[in-house]
Order: sequence, then structure tokens, then C-alpha cells
Amino acid sequence: DIQMTQSPSTLSTSVGDRVTITCRASQSVSDWLAWYQQKPGKAPKLLIYKASNLERGVPSRFSGTGSGTAFTLTISSLQPDDFATYYCQQYDSYPHTFGQGSKLEIK
Amino acid sequence: QVQLVQSAGEVKKPGASVKVSCMTSGYTFSSYGISWVRQAPGQGLEWLAWISGYNGNTKYAHKVQGRVTMSTDTSTSTAYLELRSLRSDDTGVYYCARDFVGAGMDVWGQGTTVTVSS
Repeated sequence: DIQMTQSPSTLSTSVGDRVTITCRASQSVSDWLAWYQQKPGKAPKLLIYKASNLERGVPSRFSGTGSGTAFTLTISSLQPDDFATYYCQQYDSYPHTFGQGSKLEIK
Repeated sequence: QVQLVQSAGEVKKPGASVKVSCMTSGYTFSSYGISWVRQAPGQGLEWLAWISGYNGNTKYAHKVQGRVTMSTDTSTSTAYLELRSLRSDDTGVYYCARDFVGAGMDVWGQGTTVTVSS
């Protein structure tokens, strides 16, 4: 199975900050990578698919880059609604494994 | 609009089975797959299974393979996840999600809580 490792696991941030979350795969997943946002008690929400494609309706402050084994999710200017947990997921090969999550907390 | 509506929560004893449903609407069922994702209390997301809405092909996570079966009823556009020989570590929220090849899981159900306890 492909292992996905995110960093940081927790990040204390402030509104207006630029935030970058990193996701590394144990082997190449090409650009078959998605990013999800999850708030407590809610289902995950797709933000980015195929590494850099913004899902319809997702604000443009979210962006994704990378290919192969290294990926990043960037939030250009953090908004109050963005405090949540973020997960990467590879869907290059089954099982479609998730990273362990990165939680954004208010500083 | 596209909706995935899951069945109500269940409480089961260890060793029992559970079958969770995911009723879809608002799109052509056969054009997408359905994935199931589990979240144990306080933990991250765990991918469990996928089924093609087109031909019923399935893929399962190694952790549950042998205990899990995904199925569909195309007449009602509903997907099912059955998990057998339940253990306490199967406790969690089970989500279904619409899964389009190459485009991630774009629409999710509301989640079904499965509690395994003696």
C-alpha cells in the first residue's frame, strides 16, 4: 500500500496568514492526488483533485501543486471558515490511502 | 441536485454484521463509482471500498477484505456496504461518496455511525 504522510499534523495560525501543508507519498502517484477539508461532525469536502485542479465552488485562495511523491496545499490568506482538518488522498492505486490529516488551529 | 443519503446509525455486538445503505439521486448512477470511507472516533479518514456504478466491479482495503461486501441496486440507485464479524475497532462513522475516475470524491453522504459494543 502507498503510505501518505502529511506535515505538519497541527498548525497554529491566524486569519490572513499564508498556510502551506505538505503531503508526501511513499511511491509515485503521478498527479492522482486530492485534498479534502473536514470540519468537526461533518463529511469531508473535496477542495482539489488531480493535484492542482480546484473543485467547482471552492474559493481561489486554495491551490495545490506537485506531482510524483511531493505535494502541497496552499491557502493564500486564511479566513475564519478555513480552520479545519485537511487530508490528502492518493488515488493512483488501490487502496486509495489518506494522509493522517493536518489540523489548522487558531493562534 | 446530487444527493447521497445514508441509512441511520446502528449498534451491533461483536461478531455481528451490519449493512449500511447509500441512496443516490440527481445524477446517472452508472456514470460514477461509490466509495466508502470510515472515521474512527477522534481519528483520521480511512478508505475502505469502491464499487463501479457501471458494472459492479469492486475494490477493498486489505484491512477489511474477507469481511466486507459492497453491492448496488441500480433500480433504486443505491449502494450498500456490508461488514461482517464486527470488532470494536470497526466503531466509527461510515461515509459514502460519489467517486469519478480521476476526479476524486466530490459529493458525500451525511455519514452513518456504527457502534460495536458488547
